[in-house]
Amino acid sequence: GAGVSQSPRYKVAKRGQDVALRCDPISGHVSLFWYQQALGQGPEFLTYFQNEAQLDKSGLPSDRFFAERPEGSVSTLKIQRTQQEDSAVYLCASSLKGEHEQYFGPGTRLTVT
Amino acid sequence: DQQVKQNSPSLSVQEGRISILNCDYTNSMFDYFLWYKKYPAEGPTFLISISSIKDKNEDGRFTVFLNKSAKHLSLHIVPSQPGDSAVYFCAASATNDKIIFGKGTRLHILP
Repeated sequence: GAGVSQSPRYKVAKRGQDVALRCDPISGHVSLFWYQQALGQGPEFLTYFQNEAQLDKSGLPSDRFFAERPEGSVSTLKIQRTQQEDSAVYLCASSLKGEHEQYFGPGTRLTVT
Repeated sequence: DQQVKQNSPSLSVQEGRISILNCDYTNSMFDYFLWYKKYPAEGPTFLISISSIKDKNEDGRFTVFLNKSAKHLSLHIVPSQPGDSAVYFCAASATNDKIIFGKGTRLHILP
């Protein structure tokens, strides 16, 4: 069966550009999570959706980061006016419901030059 | 301030021997613990978990031990196989709260 997919897999952006990262969760999974993973670090929580509702966005590092999941399936993470410190792998995960045993996508590696 | 600590960045183990990966945590509210495995260019894959009401959970070659008084958990892999070479993340969460990951330990299984 299809797992979590993310696109693009790699993105190079010039500083100041806006980027949009897409996540297709496993069909039927209610919960969706976004994480940021810097080099040599573990994934760090950014935001969480239950269906279309964004229940926790406490991990978003600044107001340049925005996530949405308008129909409760596909989600988009948007970063406006990218900065070099935004360079990281952005991971999406989904689960049937709740926090545990999340299924991760392969990630999008964002490089801001 | 790291709430989940994996103090060994890397570990090398002979094939067939036991691999022991360690993890410490500071938040006494954590009540669920997970281990994830990650290959290069892939997302983390769930491996095994344990609730705070237990002190051991076993799944095939993988066993997780939890010592709540020491705020310590460990993952045992026995026997270690070449395909076990990967980065292992320890993670923890409190009820209805987000998962906090450690920085990971890179495991090398030597032939």
